[in-house]
Amino acid sequence: GEDVEQSLFLSVREGDSSVINCTYTDSSSTYLYWYKQEPGAGLQLLTYIFSNMDMKQDQRLTVLLNKKDKHLSLRIADTQTGDSAIYFCAETSGITFGKGTHLIIQP
Amino acid sequence: EAQVTQNPRYLITVTGKKLTVTCSQNMNHEYMSWYRQDPGLGLRQIYYSMNVEVTDKGDVPEGYKVSRKEKRNFPLILESPSPNQTSLYFCASSPYTGTGTDTQYFGPGTRLTVL
Repeated sequence: GEDVEQSLFLSVREGDSSVINCTYTDSSSTYLYWYKQEPGAGLQLLTYIFSNMDMKQDQRLTVLLNKKDKHLSLRIADTQTGDSAIYFCAETSGITFGKGTHLIIQP
Repeated sequence: EAQVTQNPRYLITVTGKKLTVTCSQNMNHEYMSWYRQDPGLGLRQIYYSMNVEVTDKGDVPEGYKVSRKEKRNFPLILESPSPNQTSLYFCASSPYTGTGTDTQYFGPGTRLTVL
């Protein structure tokens, strides 16, 4: 069945770039998503990329997609304390989520 | 305001006492879904519904029931809750176009503790 894998933790210093990686198995996914969950809050859609794109940029966020390797990444430039959250990668065919990556910001 | 609402937000109950968590959306979405979120396991789908009177099992359906009598509501029913159902539950909805472009909108979550 479909599977989405992510690292559980990422620690970065404030002001540095964060790169959160995700691998997926279902090549038929049309869209791939990144959701953000802040402490004590629900999930919110952060950004998404269509499967025929390689890159999508939205302000401080850059999504890179390597369809051949089924690898998706989310880069957050100039990471701030407000970026501290759990980030979930998701693919659409079965709406399968990764386990989430806890982004920890060091001062 | 377009939104998905869940009630209650917090619930502490005892083993075996039937409970229902309600979910409602005001966006006329066809697709609705329930997830549970557990530490180290992330989000796992419990049940989903593609339209009124159409429901299907997700990855972890055991111990849960759902119903979809109206398009806007998708309640999650625990007939006999057990401690291993202590979790954070999310309801979600999306327009179902079948094209894979369907962004999900999530409710705020229900934290359930079963003693």
